[in-house]
Amino acid sequence: AQSVAQPEDQVNVAEGNPLTVKCTYSVSGNPYLFWYVQYPNRGLQFLLKYITGDNLVKGSYGFEAEFNKSQTSFHLKKPSALVSDSALYFCAVRDASNRMDSSYKLIFGSGTRLLVRP
Amino acid sequence: DSGVTQTPKHLITATGQRVTLRCSPRSGDLSVYWYQQSLDQGLQFLIQYYNGEERAKGNILERFSAQQFPDLHSELNLSSLELGDSALYFCASSALQGAGELFFGEGSRLTVL
Repeated sequence: AQSVAQPEDQVNVAEGNPLTVKCTYSVSGNPYLFWYVQYPNRGLQFLLKYITGDNLVKGSYGFEAEFNKSQTSFHLKKPSALVSDSALYFCAVRDASNRMDSSYKLIFGSGTRLLVRP
Repeated sequence: DSGVTQTPKHLITATGQRVTLRCSPRSGDLSVYWYQQSLDQGLQFLIQYYNGEERAKGNILERFSAQQFPDLHSELNLSSLELGDSALYFCASSALQGAGELFFGEGSRLTVL
């Protein structure tokens, strides 16, 4: 069964420093991987996705993610953190267990709270 | 703005009651997904509809049901409510040709007292 794990409940980083939010996955077949961000009292916002191709994926708000097949990881990164990046981040994998193209629910990790201090 | 609309934004009700949450997907999206977000369970997939038909089912309780109407809006019905049903309920939609990314509404926060 497809699954993702986010090993850190919280990540703390100083503004201006690089940040990494970790995600590992377990899938059968080729992974479709996603990152979402959730600000307080808001819905989830799509940041970026990996389907195939370049292992470094660029997304919204200066975020990028590195796909590593050998380590089954898809870590979210940003070269210079902003206080406004403080939010809850979710990694997700597409569940391809149902072969119908119209059914591809996402399975989410438990979330990582990012706190960027001034 | 994701284009997905959910109503109501907040709902407070009592145990044993029934509520209906409504979702309008993005224009052109045929798939609607319902997720429950609670503090201790994270984001849990409940159910998916595609063009009016149920396509996938997750950990949805028998007290909960959903449907998607011909105009593609969807409703999630929660009955015999318990305290533990208090949560944020999200609706999301996706494009058929997309790579699976979902676009989420702002959620409906249900509080059961």
